[in-house]
Amino acid sequence: QVQLVESGGGVVQPGRSLRLSCAASGFTFSSYGLHWVRQAPGKGLEWVSVISYDGSNTYYADSVKGRFTISRDNSKNTLYLQMNSLRAEDTAVYYCAKGSLAAVAGTADYWGQGTLVTVSS
Amino acid sequence: DIQMTQSPSSLSASVGDRVTITCRASQGISNYLAWFQQKPGKAPKSLIYAASSLQSGVPSKFSGSGSGTDFTLTISSLQPEDSATYYCQQYNSYPWTFGQGTKVEIK
Repeated sequence: QVQLVESGGGVVQPGRSLRLSCAASGFTFSSYGLHWVRQAPGKGLEWVSVISYDGSNTYYADSVKGRFTISRDNSKNTLYLQMNSLRAEDTAVYYCAKGSLAAVAGTADYWGQGTLVTVSS
Repeated sequence: DIQMTQSPSSLSASVGDRVTITCRASQGISNYLAWFQQKPGKAPKSLIYAASSLQSGVPSKFSGSGSGTDFTLTISSLQPEDSATYYCQQYNSYPWTFGQGTKVEIK
């Protein structure tokens, strides 16, 4: 079955960096787009970024553009999110989600359990 | 960006009731609409994609309809395990946007 396991969350000071990872199994990793979606405490879902099956195409939410970088290693079945210049408003649970298609089109059909990022001094 | 507006924000219904949640897009999105269920402390779960297609393994009591700007999610017979927050999401264009959520409680 499809499994997505996020890691790398924690407490970090404003302005610092953090890298999240998402280890995938149960499907052909290199055939699907992948997303990061976040949820601030007590709030709704906010899409963050998407990467196509081969990494050639990426999109970002305006709120993270220029600070976050999505990438993937198809040889390791792992998705990454490099987060720089973190702000208090980046505090959230970060979910990775499997896209339903190879390209960046389509919705998400499976989600990981999430990893909490807290940005605080 | 496309704005997604759900109504109601919350509802309370009895076991066995038919429940309908509405989602409206600020511009036409064809049928590029998905519904997710999220229980407290858990990840979202995909219920419906392409406005009306049931995700594999999802019970048939869930159904979706609509096209363009107006969409609905219906639970035909509410059960205690359906207590959750439900989100609609458009994937017609980036950035993806979600509705604010509808919290469903059991009376």
